[in-house]
Formats: sequence, C-alpha cells, structure tokens
Amino acid sequence: AQKVTQAQTEISVVEKEDVTLDCVYETRDTTYYLFWYKQPPSGELVFLIRRNSFDEQNEISGRYSWNFQKSTSSFNFTITASQVVDSAVYFCALSEGKEYGGATNKLIFGTGTLLAVQP
Amino acid sequence: GAVVSQHPSRVICKSGTSVKIECRSLDFQATTMFWYRQFPKQSLMLMATSNEGSKATYEQGVEKDKFLINHASLTLSTLTVTSAHPEDSSFYICSARKGPGNTIYFGEGSWLTVV
Repeated sequence: AQKVTQAQTEISVVEKEDVTLDCVYETRDTTYYLFWYKQPPSGELVFLIRRNSFDEQNEISGRYSWNFQKSTSSFNFTITASQVVDSAVYFCALSEGKEYGGATNKLIFGTGTLLAVQP
Repeated sequence: GAVVSQHPSRVICKSGTSVKIECRSLDFQATTMFWYRQFPKQSLMLMATSNEGSKATYEQGVEKDKFLINHASLTLSTLTVTSAHPEDSSFYICSARKGPGNTIYFGEGSWLTVV
C-alpha cells in the first residue's frame, strides 16, 4: 500500500533558525515520484520539488534543500535561515507510475506539517 | 505565473442548490485532471480522476451522482456539487500534469460554503 507519513504535526522556530521537515513513504513500486508542496494560508498549493525514484541526488535551491534516501524511504526537506514568509503547511506527496504515459499520477499526500516561523 | 487556474475561488450557496467549479490548464493540454478535497487542517484527499472525453474515475466512498465531473475539453474540467449540504463545505482543489516532466501543478483552490 502507498502511504506518506509526516510525523511532525506542527513545528515552531524563530526566524533564521534552520528547520527540517520529515517525510517517510511506503510503496511497492520501483518507479515512483516524490513531491513537496507549500500551502500558505490562502490555500493554493505551491510546487516546490519533484524527485523520481532513480535520482537519489540531494538538491539545493536557495535556502531549500532536500535529502532523498531510498534506504530509509525518506525524503526530508530542510529550510536554512528560516523566514516569516516560510510559515505555511508543507505537504509531502507520493505518485506512482512511469515517466511517460500509463501513469495514474494520483498523489498520495501526507498529513502535512504546519511550520510557524516567529520573528 | 499560474499553470492551472480554478474558478471561483470562493463561493457560498444555499443548501439544496448546485454549484460548479471550473479547473483550467493554462498554456498546455491536460488529458487528465484530478480533483481533491481538503477539510480544515487536514490533508488532501483525492476525489476523482477527470478524463477528457470519457467518464471520471471516482475514489472509493465518493458519490459520483453528487460530485459530477465533466472534462469536455483538453483544458477544462468542471466539478459540480449537486444538492449541496453544509457537510459539503470544504476546500476543493484540482491538479493537472504538465508533461513530460511529470510535475503536477495545482489550481488555486475553491472554498465552498454551503449555508
């Protein structure tokens, strides 16, 4: 069965602190995709990153970095030097399927982590 | 800029009436779109997969006669909540895959309040 677990319900940090959001997934497929989305209070889901199961390279984008480890089925997200504007709910999601066609592309979401960055 | 657009962003309707929400893919064609529902402070749950030119595929437990989905063109899917009740009040959000990178983008979402 597919499942995404975000054990941290809420995290509160002070501005400029680093924070890591955990994500653990379960799937029987060998080909799958992992996503992180940000949902600010307005509601829209902002795409942050997509990673396929064959690419275990960690990625850094500005203050954001992602650590994908298949051995532990984890795809953790770190924000460095957090800012108040980072306050939002962050969702990790899993999609199974092939890269081109034939994929359901249905996303299985974790329960989300509410990040509150205090000034 | 936005890749997927939803309308309306907020709607209030009376109990017993129907309301339609539109989801459009901007500058790309989407043969498949997805409709999710999110209750306050909860995660997103997939309701159905909207297929262009054919019937939608509903997830278990979702009433197909209550949540009508029409995917009439390659850029537009609509969700109609029929005979709405207060318990249907929720945040509805659609998504579409913009290939070939398999990145899935979401619309801005629609807040439905049934009074």
